[in-house]
Amino acid sequence: GAVVSQHPSRVICKSGTSVKIECRSLDFQATTMFWYRQFPKKSLMLMATSNEGSKATYEQGVEKDKFLINHASLTLSTLTVTSAHPEDSSFYICSAKVGEETQYFGPGTRLLVL
Amino acid sequence: QKEVEQNSGPLSVPEGAIASLNCTYSDRGSQSFFWYRQYSGKSPELIMFIYSNGDKEDGRFTAQLNKASQYVSLLIRDSQPSDSATYLCAVRRSGTYKYIFGTGTRLKVLA
Repeated sequence: GAVVSQHPSRVICKSGTSVKIECRSLDFQATTMFWYRQFPKKSLMLMATSNEGSKATYEQGVEKDKFLINHASLTLSTLTVTSAHPEDSSFYICSAKVGEETQYFGPGTRLLVL
Repeated sequence: QKEVEQNSGPLSVPEGAIASLNCTYSDRGSQSFFWYRQYSGKSPELIMFIYSNGDKEDGRFTAQLNKASQYVSLLIRDSQPSDSATYLCAVRRSGTYKYIFGTGTRLKVLA
């Protein structure tokens, strides 16, 4: 299947700082990527749809000013968690749409805000 | 009612048995259905997808779809301990590319 990478895989930061997470499609171009978050023992919750060259589309209840998404190229989308707080601690996973239907997921980024 | 529902489990089956995982969805207009496997601490891996009513087989895995009953299932034949994971059902919301995930069913295959 298609390969999607994420960086970093794990990050610990202090409350109030900002954290950037990168999502890259390694062997294909992805015009559409998605950002999810997952709390322990819970399912994946879609946060936003990231479209290359245009603004991201956020799901209801997701603060666009807090979770900044940039999709500047066909292989890279970034999620910046601004002014992170402990409640933002979660597993953040990106995916890339391949073809008309399928999504392939990156390995995820575990964020811990102290 | 949740858009996609799964029994959280755990579902325990002995090694070599058939594991049957079920998923129901509420959006009757949904067209595409996906099964992902997620090991603890890892991101989901695509197992297979299905669009049409009936069965679709891929190796030890068979997906079954019944749109009239809004039901999709995954059968795992000859279950192995390495199949122990959480299995996520995802439904593509009609008219969009967005997936809605169920909460997952935890499968334990006992050696």
